[in-house]
Amino acid sequence: QLVLTQSPSASASLGASVKLTCTLSSGHSSYAIAWHQQQPEKGPRYLMNLNSDGSHSKGDGIPDRFSGSSSGAERYLIISSLQSEDEADYYCQTWGTGIRWVFGGGTKLTVL
Amino acid sequence: EVQLVESGGGLVQPGGSLRLSCAASGFTVSSNYMSWVRQAPGKGLEWVSVIYSGGSTYYADSVKGRFTISRDNSKNTLYLQMNSLRAEDTAVYYCAGQRGGLLAFDIWGQGTMVTVSS
Repeated sequence: QLVLTQSPSASASLGASVKLTCTLSSGHSSYAIAWHQQQPEKGPRYLMNLNSDGSHSKGDGIPDRFSGSSSGAERYLIISSLQSEDEADYYCQTWGTGIRWVFGGGTKLTVL
Repeated sequence: EVQLVESGGGLVQPGGSLRLSCAASGFTVSSNYMSWVRQAPGKGLEWVSVIYSGGSTYYADSVKGRFTISRDNSKNTLYLQMNSLRAEDTAVYYCAGQRGGLLAFDIWGQGTMVTVSS
């Protein structure tokens, strides 16, 4: 069964960097994913596609501070030079035949 | 500017119906995969339905047989007809475009709230 697992919460200081993790379920370690940001009281915003080899393509207007990497079944979203507006929920998402589209449970990022 | 604007949400009684609309600008609905995604209060995102550029439609098991996705090419608008609504359908409904292919929702609307309650 295709499942994406995320830690419920994370925190980091203003100006620091943070790495958020999304783990693919067993047997699905080659899957590409997408990352989305949802600021409080707003709709989601697409950040990037992230492949199993770590290559990624970002959405329009996404700052260079946002990047991605991969290791095995883990997909990472790295945010550097944290700003207050980065405080948001972050969701990973993928697609599988027969399963269709699956989201992780989301990580709530707090900027200290 | 590429934009999706949803409308049609509201309060409806259990067993009732509602039709959501999503007007697109800056890109063509019929040329892309288009989906509805919902978010129950305080919860995460859940994919609901998709319509392919070729017209094929698919649904999450939780809404299959009750919801119908469609589009009007002349109006560049996506719809979601929701029948036999249940309390658990209460959520913000987002339309999302998949311009880059099947994988990712790369454009999102602002959402419309649907509340199912007596």
